[in-house]
Amino acid sequence: DAMVIQNPRYQVTQFGKPVTLSCSQTLNHNVMYWYQQKSSQAPKLLFHYYDKDFNNEADTPDNFQSRRPNTSFCFLDIRSPGLGDAAMYLCATSRRGGRESDTQYFGPGTRLTVL
Amino acid sequence: LAKTTQPISMDSYEGQEVNITCSHNNIATNDYITWYQQFPSQGPRFIIQGYKTKVTNEVASLFIPADRKSSTLSLPRVSLSDTAVYYCLVGIDMDSNYQLIWGAGTKLIIKP
Repeated sequence: DAMVIQNPRYQVTQFGKPVTLSCSQTLNHNVMYWYQQKSSQAPKLLFHYYDKDFNNEADTPDNFQSRRPNTSFCFLDIRSPGLGDAAMYLCATSRRGGRESDTQYFGPGTRLTVL
Repeated sequence: LAKTTQPISMDSYEGQEVNITCSHNNIATNDYITWYQQFPSQGPRFIIQGYKTKVTNEVASLFIPADRKSSTLSLPRVSLSDTAVYYCLVGIDMDSNYQLIWGAGTKLIIKP
């Protein structure tokens, strides 16, 4: 089945220790998104790739970086995690993106704990 | 001023019809309205999408008035498994700046 896969499902890191979350997709979609979701809040878009074009949200901290080496994979790097970065991180894909809301397909998320 | 507004929570009973409304006064002209369902510890899941009037699929209906400043998700004959958080997602034009905006989510609790 075509899907969005996130690894690991649970990640524990120490304060200030870099961490990388990964996402892969078998849908062959052009657009890949990274969201941060904290408890009882809506997903918050961090950035997205339209193919190789990187689009950063204005309020995404510099501590968050992303890489998309190919169509299938996308990585979220948190350079120096703080306690406030503990959250669920969601990866999503869509076929087109752009100005028209395109259906997004989400992975199961990675729950990040910062000690 | 909130870009989208939906009720924080709703309760209903099995077998009832549930309607959840999202207001989005500044929806972009060409944009669709999309609703997602999210269970705890899972990613959101697409439910339904529409541009205007009424759209129906196997799980829900979506009603959109002519001015498109709001939309209503309708879940017919809900069951306990419909207990989840429901989000509306729209593109908003604010000062010529386009953004995809998620509603804050409506926590729906279905009781036996």
